[in-house]
Amino acid sequence: GAVVSQHPSRVICKSGTSVKIECRSLDFQATTMFWYRQFPKQSLMLMATSNEGSKATYEQGVEKDKFLINHASLTLSTLTVTSAHPEDSSFYICSAREGQGFFTEAFFGQGTRLTVV
Amino acid sequence: QQPVQSPQAVILREGEDAVINCSSSKALYSVHWYRQKHGEAPVFLMILLKGGEQKGHEKISASFNEKKQQSSLYLTASQLSYSGTYFCGTEHNDYKLSFGAGTTVTVRA
Repeated sequence: GAVVSQHPSRVICKSGTSVKIECRSLDFQATTMFWYRQFPKQSLMLMATSNEGSKATYEQGVEKDKFLINHASLTLSTLTVTSAHPEDSSFYICSAREGQGFFTEAFFGQGTRLTVV
Repeated sequence: QQPVQSPQAVILREGEDAVINCSSSKALYSVHWYRQKHGEAPVFLMILLKGGEQKGHEKISASFNEKKQQSSLYLTASQLSYSGTYFCGTEHNDYKLSFGAGTTVTVRA
């Protein structure tokens, strides 16, 4: 199956700093990628939809200026957590789907465990 | 809008069966099922595209009742490797996948 690579897998940063997470589709082009956040023992909460060549669309309650998303190419989307605080500590996962239509499976990256100290 | 999953958790002995249910309050375009092991990313199991469809993956199968906006995942003759958290993902008319709260399955020897 298709592969989505996410980097880094773990990161620890100090409060107030910014962290960038990369999500790459390795063997297919992804016009759209999705960013999720997952708290321990909870579900995947969709944060935003990343669209190649245009602005990301954010879910209600997600701060655009806090979570900056850039989708510069058909194989790379980045999520930058700006001015991170301890409450931003979480597991962040990206996913991508082949094609532009519905009915395709989502491939997930390995996830990034962010710890803000 | 997130689908509703039940039960929240289930404990099985090897060889036993279980059913996980997923329902939505909105019309569904498709239903996806994923399994996640602790600390790992979710892994795709199967996708159901239309009402009445049934699919299988090893001894795991699923059905989709489009009219009732429901899907069920069936774990048959469970194996230790089936342990994990199962998520249903529902797709409506906006290409986004929304996930249920998950069902934690523990299979014991």
